[in-house]
Amino acid sequence: ELKVEQNPLFLSMQEGKNYTIYCNYSTTSDRLYWYRQDPGKSLESLFVLLSNGAVKQEGRLMASLDTKARLSTLHITAAVHDLSATYFCAVDRPSTSGTYKYIFGTGTRLKVLA
Amino acid sequence: DTGVSQDPRHKITKRGQNVTFRCDPISEHNRLYWYRQTLGQGPEFLTYFQNEAQLEKSRLLSDRFSAERPKGSFSTLEIQRTEQGDSAMYLCASSLGAYGDGYTFGSGTRLTVV
Repeated sequence: ELKVEQNPLFLSMQEGKNYTIYCNYSTTSDRLYWYRQDPGKSLESLFVLLSNGAVKQEGRLMASLDTKARLSTLHITAAVHDLSATYFCAVDRPSTSGTYKYIFGTGTRLKVLA
Repeated sequence: DTGVSQDPRHKITKRGQNVTFRCDPISEHNRLYWYRQTLGQGPEFLTYFQNEAQLEKSRLLSDRFSAERPKGSFSTLEIQRTEQGDSAMYLCASSLGAYGDGYTFGSGTRLTVV
């Protein structure tokens, strides 16, 4: 059974600091997705990583994928308060119905302190 | 197109009542998914439609749950005889392909069973 684990689960950091969130998954997959969720809201797509070595950056966030290590990272540079949210990674798994369903990680709740 | 729409945004119901949620996907997306997210957890797959056909159901979808997608457009998720354990955010997502750019999630319906 595919398991997706994130760490840390909770992260409190000062504005201006850097930090990395890790996403490990237990079986082979070439694709990984990062989402952001604000309290009481739905999921906002951040990054789609489709191959080994993929790296994508948007503003202060950068995501990478190492399919051999089954590891993705989400790096935060010079954090600002607006980045406070819960971040989920998800791995897709083929299903017998001919589609792919997502297995989500446990989420990392990030709080950026002024 | 304004994305994936879900209605209602919030629903409070008494235990034992039936509830129905609606999802309107992006018009050109033929694939539609329902996920459930309980507090502090990542979303979990419930069911998948390709056009009007329901091709996969999770074991999480008990007999009290039924989903439809008539004519391959909007979808409804009905929960009969609600229980307190049904309290969660119900997320709908749609996609054009099996993977690639990933899903587009709706805003979700938050169900509270009292």
